[in-house]
Amino acid sequence: RKEVEQDPGPFNVPEGATVAFNCTYSNSASQSFFWYRQDCRKEPKLLMSVYSSGNEDGRFTAQLNRASQYISLLIRDSKLSDSATYLCVVRPYYGGSQGNLIFGKGTKLSVKP
Amino acid sequence: DGGITQSPKYLFRKEGQNVTLSCEQNLNHDAMYWYRQDPGQGLRLIYYSQIVNDFQKGDIAEGYSVSREKKESFPLTVTSAQKNPTAFYLCASSTPGQASYEQYFGPGTRLTVT
Repeated sequence: RKEVEQDPGPFNVPEGATVAFNCTYSNSASQSFFWYRQDCRKEPKLLMSVYSSGNEDGRFTAQLNRASQYISLLIRDSKLSDSATYLCVVRPYYGGSQGNLIFGKGTKLSVKP
Repeated sequence: DGGITQSPKYLFRKEGQNVTLSCEQNLNHDAMYWYRQDPGQGLRLIYYSQIVNDFQKGDIAEGYSVSREKKESFPLTVTSAQKNPTAFYLCASSTPGQASYEQYFGPGTRLTVT
């Protein structure tokens, strides 16, 4: 199993649609989880951290399922400006200490008018 | 404004030449990182530094070198020993010890070696 795995997409959706991305991770002791957004040929930018209880930021909702070792990102009422690649990022935990961030390859979203 | 700057944005070099990529931050972050991104690939960690005058190899350090003489600066040298240096290079910083521990990225440098 790859350390962080995402469906590469692309997800092509119409404006106003709801779209969900999933991400699985292999290190069961992982402590921290994030979603980053990366526009074409730009740097990744933090979209939101993912908390155990789940969290919401406007149209974006992140969920964590520790038992199944997956993270999800839900985008409601998609906008054209949501078109980007979404990176799932996990901080593993090895032998009592936190490891460096591990980045998924990203899921590409294209929102069409 | 606080942030991370990388220069130059685009860099072209001939094979066999060493090249140094600049990374500066004024966020007062302790830790700094260098990543490489290739098309269709996730970010891969080259080197990182948790504190001034100390740094560690990441997953793909061969052919690269770094220094951390100042808290604000973490330059990366791509040496002629790096077999496939053409890539998008990203510098990041963070403050270890915070609960979230997220990283913030500079705008990146696109290096093309021919």
